[in-house]
Amino acid sequence: EPEVTQTPSHQVTQMGQEVILRCVPISNHLYFYWYRQILGQKVEFLVSFYNNEISEKSEIFDDQFSVERPDGSNFTLKIRSTKLEDSAMYFCASSEGSRNQPQHFGDGTRLSIL
Amino acid sequence: RKEVEQDPGPFNVPEGATVAFNCTYSNSASQSFFWYRQDCRKEPKLLMSVYSSGNEDGRFTAQLNRASQYISLLIRDSKLSDSATYLCVVNRFNTGNQFYFGTGTSLTVIP
Repeated sequence: EPEVTQTPSHQVTQMGQEVILRCVPISNHLYFYWYRQILGQKVEFLVSFYNNEISEKSEIFDDQFSVERPDGSNFTLKIRSTKLEDSAMYFCASSEGSRNQPQHFGDGTRLSIL
Repeated sequence: RKEVEQDPGPFNVPEGATVAFNCTYSNSASQSFFWYRQDCRKEPKLLMSVYSSGNEDGRFTAQLNRASQYISLLIRDSKLSDSATYLCVVNRFNTGNQFYFGTGTSLTVIP
């Protein structure tokens, strides 16, 4: 069964550094998403992406965040100048984009900011 | 008002028990509904979609009440392996295919 893949599984970065999280969505899916989950807290929406542009973003997705689909298969989340509070699990998801079709999640990248 | 609301629990039930979770959504334009399961430090995984007529998958039964804007999940004959957080997810396809998550309901099945 096709799946969403994310790399790396764990990223440790110094505060203030840039980090890029990578995702390969399921190949025939049209919508892509990033979520984050701080340990012990709920899943929080960051951004959705369709047709090579941001479809919707949350208040969390401020100017330090950006997304890109550089090559037709990868979908990346960049955090420009990381803060301690960016430490979380980041999940990528994709969906077909038709009614009644669910999202499928990658197994996440654990981001630790030191 | 939150898009999706769930009782966070925790629900602690003995093996073999039946347990039910409810979820309410605020936007009547919501079109699709799902239950996801999330194990500790893992990704959410689709448990089942929720159809208007209600649907069953083994020990799991999902119901949708559009008039009251709530969704339910019933788990019969609980197993230890059912221990997880259950996420109610609502989708509005016509507005950018957005998915809205509840905070999740924690279930622990006790031997």
